[in-house]
Amino acid sequence: AQSVTQLDSHVSVSEGTPVLLRCNYSSSYSPSLFWYVQHPNKGLQLLLKYTSAATLVKGINGFEAEFKKSETSFHLTKPSAHMSDAAEYFCVVRSYNDMRFGAGTRLTVKP
Amino acid sequence: DVKVTQSSRYLVKRTGEKVFLECVQDMDHENMFWYRQDPGLGLRLIYFSYDVKMKEKGDIPEGYSVSREKKERFSLILESASTNQTSMYLCASSLQGFGAPSKDIQYFGAGTRLSVL
Repeated sequence: AQSVTQLDSHVSVSEGTPVLLRCNYSSSYSPSLFWYVQHPNKGLQLLLKYTSAATLVKGINGFEAEFKKSETSFHLTKPSAHMSDAAEYFCVVRSYNDMRFGAGTRLTVKP
Repeated sequence: DVKVTQSSRYLVKRTGEKVFLECVQDMDHENMFWYRQDPGLGLRLIYFSYDVKMKEKGDIPEGYSVSREKKERFSLILESASTNQTSMYLCASSLQGFGAPSKDIQYFGAGTRLSVL
């Protein structure tokens, strides 16, 4: 069985400051890991995906995530938050036929 | 761009009604999924389909059924709606199944918010 835990249900940052959204996973196999973003009243959109080619994965809109096997973590970061980054973010782990979504982290960006 | 279209953004139904949620994708994807999204629970898989007329139960199939008569269309059916099925429903599609790591990215529709009164 596998699972994913997003450590913060809500993160609030000021515009221009760094963003850190934390994700830990549990998997018996070498998983694929994803971050998706959901803006209000919209579907989920893929931000980035890890598949073992490189531990630091760059995504869209300046986001990146680092896979750390020893810590079973896949935290999402961005150097400087933008107002348009306010959304809900989901960490996802996939292995073979099983795909698990985290509970989500709501990111608020203050002006 | 891949487009996944859910026929309704908002639905209000009464307890006991039969409810159909429709989803259409335009990229010839083999796989289609129905999820339920509830606050604090993330997305939970209800059913998925990897081919026309094929379906597999997800984590929470009870109270739901699905239909896939054409490759581009995947319908979720609530045979007798109940208040605990009030939720946001998301449809997704992907090019190929879980066995193809480079092609398993899922594309989502905007969601249908269903209220059962």
